[in-house]
Amino acid sequence: DAGVIQSPRHEVTEMGQEVTLRCKPISGHDYLFWYRQTMMRGLELLIYFNNNVPIDDSGMPEDRFSAKMPNASFSTLKIQPSEPRDSAVYFCASSYKAPGTEAFFGQGTRLTVV
Amino acid sequence: KQEVTQIPAALSVPEGENLVLNCSFTDSAIYNLQWFRQDPGKGLTSLLLIQSSQREQTSGRLNASLDKSSGRSTLYIAASQPGDSATYLCAVYYGGATNKLIFGTGTLLAVQP
Repeated sequence: DAGVIQSPRHEVTEMGQEVTLRCKPISGHDYLFWYRQTMMRGLELLIYFNNNVPIDDSGMPEDRFSAKMPNASFSTLKIQPSEPRDSAVYFCASSYKAPGTEAFFGQGTRLTVV
Repeated sequence: KQEVTQIPAALSVPEGENLVLNCSFTDSAIYNLQWFRQDPGKGLTSLLLIQSSQREQTSGRLNASLDKSSGRSTLYIAASQPGDSATYLCAVYYGGATNKLIFGTGTLLAVQP
């Protein structure tokens, strides 16, 4: 397996634009996680899915953020409208079992909102 | 509040030294603790996972210990190499109502050749 695949690797967008980040988890993994990493706040869990169903979205900062998982092999994180403070590295991770078991991370999407 | 702290924030050592990275957590009711490595521009790689019932785990030159009662974990790296240069993060998993990994802010390690 190629691991967790995220796209794009880098995204630069203007404030107010819609941004969509994509993730393909490892085949057979039942859990998918979206994290955000910033210098100020470190690594924070935004939302996670189990078998394509959102389980905990308490980390999603605002209604501008939404995430979907239409099938077991694809997930999106959307920000609409984007703001400069959304600039961060967004990671997707997947795991075979429950949260707290070994998770495999993608290489991240570096988002810059200008 | 469940918080995870890592000290030091940055560390620079000459090649060959043995070193210790520290992680502390405020709530001792953990399910397990993981140590991750993050290379610049890359994702995280899981190094070691210690269950709450365990005292330590070893993988090659890495040894992680856990003292749940005092809320501490250490990552020991033996005979450090320049290739060990990276950011090391610890993450504590709380089950129950929390049910998520809480990450520390990391230690940036530089091993000088």
